[in-house]
Amino acid sequence: TQLLEQSPQFLSIQEGENLTVYCNSSSVFSSLQWYRQEPGEGPVLLVTVVTGGEVKKLKRLTFQFGDARKDSSLHITAAQPGDTGLYLCAGATDSWGKLQFGAGTQVVVTP
Amino acid sequence: DAGITQSPRHKVTETGTPVTLRCHQTENHRYMYWYRQDPGHGLRLIHYSYGVKDTDKGEVSDGYSVSRSKTEDFLLTLESATSSQTSVYFCAISEDNLSLGRDTIYFGEGSWLTVV
Repeated sequence: TQLLEQSPQFLSIQEGENLTVYCNSSSVFSSLQWYRQEPGEGPVLLVTVVTGGEVKKLKRLTFQFGDARKDSSLHITAAQPGDTGLYLCAGATDSWGKLQFGAGTQVVVTP
Repeated sequence: DAGITQSPRHKVTETGTPVTLRCHQTENHRYMYWYRQDPGHGLRLIHYSYGVKDTDKGEVSDGYSVSRSKTEDFLLTLESATSSQTSVYFCAISEDNLSLGRDTIYFGEGSWLTVV
């Protein structure tokens, strides 16, 4: 059972378009993280959100944590081919902080 | 470079044989983790360690054991490999408890294991 549901599973867009990836759950998270993973490599942390309603921006990437801390979204403005990769969300659910990962969203940005 | 080295990076083994994957860190971080990644499942936690000789099970621990005799090394052992354990295995480290978002978890580059 996937604790975190990511949608869509796959997204293919043209350079310059915008995209949004969603991460949803019925569980409350103490923190939620977004990662990007490229083929043959481990995931790399993009951002951590902790407070309900929090919005963080990283250049063209905007991350939002839901008010109830059960969901999150990642929005990319004017996508570039370098944004291509597998985007993973992960939430910490217990006092120890072990992470539960979503299955990932594969994003492909074509020139 | 997060100072994590996984070995071997690629291995093909036969069903029923024991396999040990090694994770070595140079950061002296307290927490170490082993995840496996499979299509459609994201990353799933196998075992984790919160200090030398302190380990506990994750969500998919059956068929795996771990040991941590030194801060820098965390070993994952498949006692008798099965085809269902064909996967990519990632080691990860963090300095602090992740629950409050105070710390970052760093992943190694992965070990590709094929059980035939």
